[in-house]
Amino acid sequence: AAGVIQSPRHLIKEKRETATLKCYPIPRHDTVYWYQQGPGQDPQFLISFYEKMQSDKGSIPDRFSAQQFSDYHSELNMSSLELGDSALYFCASSYGRNSPLHFGNGTRLTVT
Amino acid sequence: GESVGLHLPTLSVQEGDNSIINCAYSNSASDYFIWYKQESGKGPQFIIDIRSNMDKRQGQRVTVLLNKTVKHLSLQIAATQPGDSAVYFCAVTPLGYSTLTFGKGTMLLVSP
Repeated sequence: AAGVIQSPRHLIKEKRETATLKCYPIPRHDTVYWYQQGPGQDPQFLISFYEKMQSDKGSIPDRFSAQQFSDYHSELNMSSLELGDSALYFCASSYGRNSPLHFGNGTRLTVT
Repeated sequence: GESVGLHLPTLSVQEGDNSIINCAYSNSASDYFIWYKQESGKGPQFIIDIRSNMDKRQGQRVTVLLNKTVKHLSLQIAATQPGDSAVYFCAVTPLGYSTLTFGKGTMLLVSP
């Protein structure tokens, strides 16, 4: 079965640079979520989109933005990167609300 | 807000034993509950879910129990296998929302 696809799998950036993470949800899923997971931490919700509109917002820094495109893929844009942004970034998708989120295998971002 | 916590950070069991992982949540309006398994370098993998109108649900070798009175959730894994070794997270969402809040993970270690 098709899963959530994230790219790139690994990304190394320097402080103050920008990064763009991409997410391709499971076909026919209408909701996309972004989570950040620090080492040994639980995933923290950043932002979600339903039918290409922002639906919920969590602890996403102002330096980050995201959008969902007409083909339902989503991109997380991160600017002025800081060392503390180093983490695993997961995208998940679901069909409708209150249904299981299916996660991709994440993008590991390292900021040096 | 919602806070979710797990009682034990690490659980060590012998192969063949039954495992029980516990989770407490704080928001009595929580309506939907999911258990995820996360292996190293991978995204959270859906195990089983339960809604607030139920108190028990069974899957293959797994059972989730929900006690809304004390706001407690547990995951029981029967005949635990080495392949079950991973970090387990409970995640909850309140009625009408789609955002999952994750609890702190429990690492399950299964020794042969």
